[in-house]
Amino acid sequence: DTEVTQTPKHLVMGMTNKKSLKCEQHMGHRAMYWYKQKAKKPPELMFVYSYEKLSINESVPSRFSPECPNSSLLNLHLHALQPEDSALYLCASSQIPTAPLEQYFGPGTRLTVT
Amino acid sequence: QQQVKQSPQSLIVQKGGISIINCAYENTAFDYFPWYQQFPGKGPALLIAIRPDVSEKKEGRFTISFNKSAKQFSLHIMDSQPGDSATYFCAASMKRGYNKLIFGAGTRLAVHP
Repeated sequence: DTEVTQTPKHLVMGMTNKKSLKCEQHMGHRAMYWYKQKAKKPPELMFVYSYEKLSINESVPSRFSPECPNSSLLNLHLHALQPEDSALYLCASSQIPTAPLEQYFGPGTRLTVT
Repeated sequence: QQQVKQSPQSLIVQKGGISIINCAYENTAFDYFPWYQQFPGKGPALLIAIRPDVSEKKEGRFTISFNKSAKQFSLHIMDSQPGDSATYFCAASMKRGYNKLIFGAGTRLAVHP
């Protein structure tokens, strides 16, 4: 089973709201990733978690705050977002973080900031 | 050097035809080359992947051809079907360091019946 699940599927939030995106995998993978994808563009890496520790932050604004409570779960906390942050947010996982291996993506959360 | 260049940007193929998407890279540290298929509103799905020690890999109707000396690789979809209509992304990942995928810009494939 190579399933990564994400909730919610859709989210509409105002610029003053606080919300969270959730990602879960039960494949025993020890690397998890957040990507942002704008329309007609490839996914852009935001964060990499390696063994539940933040390993890479691709200069993402602090209004995005990732969290990895355990090896199966990844959250992305959102606060004071801007309309240009509207995008598809994708979670992915891979077996280990330090080798070129398959990354499996979830279905994404479609975020709209009003 | 970090880029992966993908072409064409869009592609129209008749049902039963062959779809060919090309990618090129500069960085010889890339060691893993996956292709992803993405339908509208869905996450990318891993389709097929290749490593530089192999020149070709086939899975069903999908084949990756890899030319290490030219630093190019391509996806061939044989007997293309309307259900193959999607956006295809090539990607590359390095031998060392964290498993960061560098994506190509994507190719929107439309297979007409």
